[in-house]
Amino acid sequence: SQQGEEDPQALSIQEGENATMNCSYKTSINNLQWYRQNSGRGLVHLILIRSNEREKHSGRLRVTLDTSKKSSSLLITASRAADTASYFCATGGGRQGAQKLVFGQGTRLTINP
Amino acid sequence: DGGITQSPKYLFRKEGQNVTLSCEQNLNHDAMYWYRQDPGQGLRLIYYSQIVNDFQKGDIAEGYSVSREKKESFPLTVTSAQKNPTAFYLCASNEVAGDIQYFGAGTRLSVL
Repeated sequence: SQQGEEDPQALSIQEGENATMNCSYKTSINNLQWYRQNSGRGLVHLILIRSNEREKHSGRLRVTLDTSKKSSSLLITASRAADTASYFCATGGGRQGAQKLVFGQGTRLTINP
Repeated sequence: DGGITQSPKYLFRKEGQNVTLSCEQNLNHDAMYWYRQDPGQGLRLIYYSQIVNDFQKGDIAEGYSVSREKKESFPLTVTSAQKNPTAFYLCASNEVAGDIQYFGAGTRLSVL
């Protein structure tokens, strides 16, 4: 079963703008991760935030986690055409087991030049 | 060059046929996973293995089988019992103590 729900399902913005994607989940978690998938390719890990963390940064990426609301957001600042991809949140830990990840349905991001 | 190699990239299955997707990793990871991805959807877990000679069913194991005879290899067989096999299949691995999964480039399976 898929735990995460992502919002929006699709997002189209102009190059240079910021992109925000949201993820909600249902059960307790140990960590939440964001992955990126270019069309027809495998997933690439972007960033991991643990359940005791509220915010994390990596380059142009900023992730927040609100465990009381069971939600997370991914912000990509100063977007580039190369950021065009699908972005997935994945939750780990809790009752699913320490190593199993449960993926959301993804947000398809398009950056227009 | 370390990583996960999936082959073939494209595969076609005839009705009633079993097909096997290959997944090999040289990352020395103990855990390996198989996911199915349908168009516009997220990933669903088919099978996973945390150690050689042991594997567990995921959420959608029916119609699939796996083996884990070597640490670096985790092949997936799509059997004739899987009535809707058309999908993109992704293999992943991680260290048993690690949280981040590393993915192969995927195999796209279609039915003739």
